[in-house]
Amino acid sequence: SQWGEENLQALSIQEGEDVTMNCSYKTYTTVVQWYRQKSGKGPAQLILIRSNEREKRSGRLRATLDTSSQSSSLSITGTLATDTAVYFCATERRYNVLYFGSGTKLTVEP
Amino acid sequence: GPKVLQIPSHQIIDMGQMVTLNCDPVSNHLYFYWYKQILGQQMEFLVNFYNGKVMEKSKLFKDQFSVERPDGSYFTLKIQPTALEDSAVYFCASSSDWGGDTGQLYFGEGSKLTVL
Repeated sequence: SQWGEENLQALSIQEGEDVTMNCSYKTYTTVVQWYRQKSGKGPAQLILIRSNEREKRSGRLRATLDTSSQSSSLSITGTLATDTAVYFCATERRYNVLYFGSGTKLTVEP
Repeated sequence: GPKVLQIPSHQIIDMGQMVTLNCDPVSNHLYFYWYKQILGQQMEFLVNFYNGKVMEKSKLFKDQFSVERPDGSYFTLKIQPTALEDSAVYFCASSSDWGGDTGQLYFGEGSKLTVL
């Protein structure tokens, strides 16, 4: 498998809190993408981060990538109930093939 | 934002029957993909498709699977015959390029297939 962690993780927090989700991968990559999947919907890309960026921000989102430890994180500041979803990281291969991790199920209580 | 439409949203069929899942990709996108997701698990790549050809496929893309996009119409995934283990949600995606900043994948909402 591409990924170090195989089990879906679950986090439950209160609205307004900050949260950080982590993933680690086994095979070298230069691009990690983070996706959000809401219940009954398809995944939607949140952030794409490259190995030369280390950190990337988009609104309340912040992604990091550490190629030396082969890990990536996604932080959300000031969470909202509408942030409730499953968050996946994915590595990119040729021809845009994505390998998704098992994801983190985030529940934000209003 | 750009929309990928999938038809049907849910289909129930008997094992051994044929099923065709249809995908209407984002207008002007030329790169197409199918992913499979079993309930509660991660998305898994099946196949991608460009210019009438399969460019890459995974081990999940069994011989019973086929894809096509005849004359710019729907991009389809056909399974013939179906097996119990084909029960899953199938997501179609499209992109305007092979990757990077201009190759973002846009996913549909999925077609849930139940094989009895």
